[in-house]
Amino acid sequence: AQKVTQAQTEISVVEKEDVTLDCVYETRDTTYYLFWYKQPPSGELVFLIRRNSFDEQNEISGRYSWNFQKSTSSFNFTITASQVVDSAVYFCALSETSGSRLTFGEGTQLTVNP
Amino acid sequence: DTEVTQTPKHLVMGMTNKKSLKCEQHMGHRAMYWYKQKAKKPPELMFVYSYEKLSINESVPSRFSPECPNSSLLNLHLHALQPEDSALYLCASSHSQAGASTDTQYFGPGTRLTVL
Repeated sequence: AQKVTQAQTEISVVEKEDVTLDCVYETRDTTYYLFWYKQPPSGELVFLIRRNSFDEQNEISGRYSWNFQKSTSSFNFTITASQVVDSAVYFCALSETSGSRLTFGEGTQLTVNP
Repeated sequence: DTEVTQTPKHLVMGMTNKKSLKCEQHMGHRAMYWYKQKAKKPPELMFVYSYEKLSINESVPSRFSPECPNSSLLNLHLHALQPEDSALYLCASSHSQAGASTDTQYFGPGTRLTVL
């Protein structure tokens, strides 16, 4: 069975700090996909990134970067120089090619204070 | 364009009312989803439509009735709801048929439902 764990329930930082959101997953499949979504207070789930299990290259998009490590089953997300607009709930999610579900972690509430 | 639209944004209804939630996408996606999200929790899958046919029903009570009139539209008909059904209802779509859940799901802004 697949499982996603986001151990950090809430994180609070001051603007311009760097922050890393942790995501650990469990799966028996060798082929799977990992996702990060952002949910601001307005409610919409905004897609951030999709990564397949064969691509362990780290990715950077502006202030966002993702560190995928199969050896530790982790897919961590770092925001550099955080801004107040980054305040949101961030969900890590996993889907297996053998399954038909997107499994979400419990989410991490990030608050960036001015 | 990765836009999924949902109407209404907010809905308040009594337990005897009948109402409908609407979802629309124009990305040519063939899979559409309904999720329910309670406060401080991740979304929970309710229904999946693939090529306009219901492919997954996560044992949702019959007071929730989905409908997919065409490939761009998804409705959720509500009848005789309970106060515990109050939640954010999210619609999503993805490129390929359900089961190929590795495709990215794009979500709408949701409908905040309050049942009195």
